[in-house]
Amino acid sequence: ELKVEQNPLFLSMQEGKNYTIYCNYSTTSDRLYWYRQDPGKSLESLFVLLSNGAVKQEGRLMASLDTKARLSTLHITAAVHDLSATYFCAVGSQGNLIFGKGTKLSVKP
Amino acid sequence: NAGVTQTPKFRVLKTGQSMTLLCAQDMNHEYMYWYRQDPGMGLRLIHYSVGEGTTAKGEVPDGYNVSRLKKQNFLLGLESAAPSQTSVYFCASSAPLGFLGDEQFFGPGTRLTVL
Repeated sequence: ELKVEQNPLFLSMQEGKNYTIYCNYSTTSDRLYWYRQDPGKSLESLFVLLSNGAVKQEGRLMASLDTKARLSTLHITAAVHDLSATYFCAVGSQGNLIFGKGTKLSVKP
Repeated sequence: NAGVTQTPKFRVLKTGQSMTLLCAQDMNHEYMYWYRQDPGMGLRLIHYSVGEGTTAKGEVPDGYNVSRLKKQNFLLGLESAAPSQTSVYFCASSAPLGFLGDEQFFGPGTRLTVL
C-alpha cells in the first residue's frame, strides 16, 4: 500500500527566506503532482513531475522528483506573503493519486 | 469551458436525511473521483469511475453510493446522513494516464454539515 508523507506539516516562514517541503512515498511511482489550496478554496495544480530527475519551476517555486529515493521537494525562494497556503503532493498509484496530508505554509513579514 | 463544477456549494442535513451531490465536467475526461477533506486528514478517496457506467470503491466508501450514467456527470449519494459525514467534498476528473500524466482537476467543493 502506497503511503505519502509530507514534512513539515506546518511551516512558518519569514519573508525573503528560502524553505523546502519534502514529500516521501513508500513504493515505486514515476509520477508526482503538487497542488496548492487556499483557505476555503479548491485545489489548484502547480506541477506535474513524470520522470526521475524532473525539475519544474514557476516563479518562486521549484519542484523536483527523485524516483530512486522516492522523494520530491518543493523549494521556495525568497518567500512572500502570497505563497501562504496549504501545499499537497500526490503520488500516482494504480490509476489513482494518493495525497499527502498537506503542508500549511504561513509567511510572516 | 467551466472545468469541473459541483452542486450544491453548501448544505446542512439532519441525521438520517439523504441527499445527492452532483459533479459535472466539460473536459471530456474519462476518469472522475469523489474525495472528502477533513482537517488534518488530507484528501481521502471515496469512490471513483474510469468510464461511463463503471464505478469503484476508494479508501472510505462506507455510507456513500455513486453513479456515472453519463460521461460528464458523477453523482455522490448519501442515503442516511450521519454526523461523521460532515466534511468538504471535492470532485475531480482526469484523462487516463498518458504521456502527459493523469493530473486531476478539482471542482470548487461542497461543504456539508450533518446535525
